[in-house]
Amino acid sequence: EDKVVQSPLSLVVHEGDTVTLNCSYEVTNFRSLLWYKQEKKAPTFLFMLTSSGIEKKSGRLSSILDKKELFSILNITATQTGDSAIYLCAVEASWDNNAGNMLTFGGGTRLMVKP
Amino acid sequence: DVKVTQSSRYLVKRTGEKVFLECVQDMDHENMFWYRQDPGLGLRLIYFSYDVKMKEKGDIPEGYSVSREKKERFSLILESASTNQTSMYLCASSPPIWVGQPQHFGDGTRLSIL
Repeated sequence: EDKVVQSPLSLVVHEGDTVTLNCSYEVTNFRSLLWYKQEKKAPTFLFMLTSSGIEKKSGRLSSILDKKELFSILNITATQTGDSAIYLCAVEASWDNNAGNMLTFGGGTRLMVKP
Repeated sequence: DVKVTQSSRYLVKRTGEKVFLECVQDMDHENMFWYRQDPGLGLRLIYFSYDVKMKEKGDIPEGYSVSREKKERFSLILESASTNQTSMYLCASSPPIWVGQPQHFGDGTRLSIL
């Protein structure tokens, strides 16, 4: 059974802090690992990682994948109150060798950034 | 920009009712998905569809069915709603896996079964 585990479950930091969110996985037919940010509504896409060791960066957010050790981290530097959200890690697996793709999600990390 | 629209943000129904949740996407995506999201459990896949009239069970299909008569529309049906189906329901769509693009989500429907 495919499994994705995120840690910590929740985190409270102050503005300006740097945070690291963790995601480990066990998935058959791995295709990619994705990070989403969810505030009050739809999860919004942050990163898709397919190759080990290549950092993806967007502003203060960055992420990297280790396919040998089966984990990924999401870093947020100089946190702001607007970073407060649930961060979801998901692993994409191909389904039955066709065009379908399935995501298995972790339970999420709830981040609160205090002023 | 991808737009996935779910018909209702909030819905209250009674036990035993038949409930329809509708989802429409405007990007001509082949794949569509229904998830439910519960605190501490993350998002769990109920059903997905990779083509019109095609459907596949996800991890928790019991008590649900789906319909995909047109490419842009994917409906989730609760045949006889029960209180344990109170949850946030999220629809998503994506192109075929070889395109290498992520799933995009709708804003969700918060469903309460009384």
